Amino acid sequence: QKEVEQNSGPLSVPEGAIASLNCTYSDRGSQSFFWYRQYSGKSPELIMFIYSNGDKEDGRFTAQLNKASQYVSLLIRDSQPSDSATYLCAVRSIGGTSYGKLTFGQGTILTVHP
Amino acid sequence: DAGVTQSPTHLIKTRGQHVTLRCSPISGHKSVSWYQQVLGQGPQFIFQYYEKEERGRGNFPDRFSARQFPNYSSELNVNALLLGDSALYLCASSSLNPTGELFFGEGSRLTVL
Repeated sequence: QKEVEQNSGPLSVPEGAIASLNCTYSDRGSQSFFWYRQYSGKSPELIMFIYSNGDKEDGRFTAQLNKASQYVSLLIRDSQPSDSATYLCAVRSIGGTSYGKLTFGQGTILTVHP
Repeated sequence: DAGVTQSPTHLIKTRGQHVTLRCSPISGHKSVSWYQQVLGQGPQFIFQYYEKEERGRGNFPDRFSARQFPNYSSELNVNALLLGDSALYLCASSSLNPTGELFFGEGSRLTVL
């Protein structure tokens, strides 16, 4: 079982729709959860982070965390063609002093078509 | 403020050669991490350094090494390059706050022929 798994893509949604990206993780000790967006040929860009159960909203983006189910998701409302990218879920576990270590999923490719 | 800067941005090497990649963190950040991203996969953790000490190491062979300098910049060295080392090498900096937010540089794309 992979440590962090994302729903297989690619995911294609029409402009203006809601895109839903999902991620599950295996380590129950995980404390912080991150969503990165990566455009083709570019480096990952931090979109959101969440560490408490529930929802966290930032503009058109909502991150949802359910630690009991070991599940984290990202909703993108009013999707735009510029949202087309690979979305990476990353998880950080408290352990030792290596706060820098994130474990990433394989990414989900999102395409928003006009 | 300048973000994380990496050099070189692109490089081509042949098998068996050695490569050094460099990274300068965001001003005020004392932690630098290195990740390898192979095409089609998520980044994989290689090293983390904080205050010039190694604080974490991923599942990579001893051909991979790194260090951090007094100004918090960092180098990643890879010896005896293999074709499979072709990847985007990402440097990330953080202030080591509890949220663990990492900010990535643009990466160094290494091609091994």
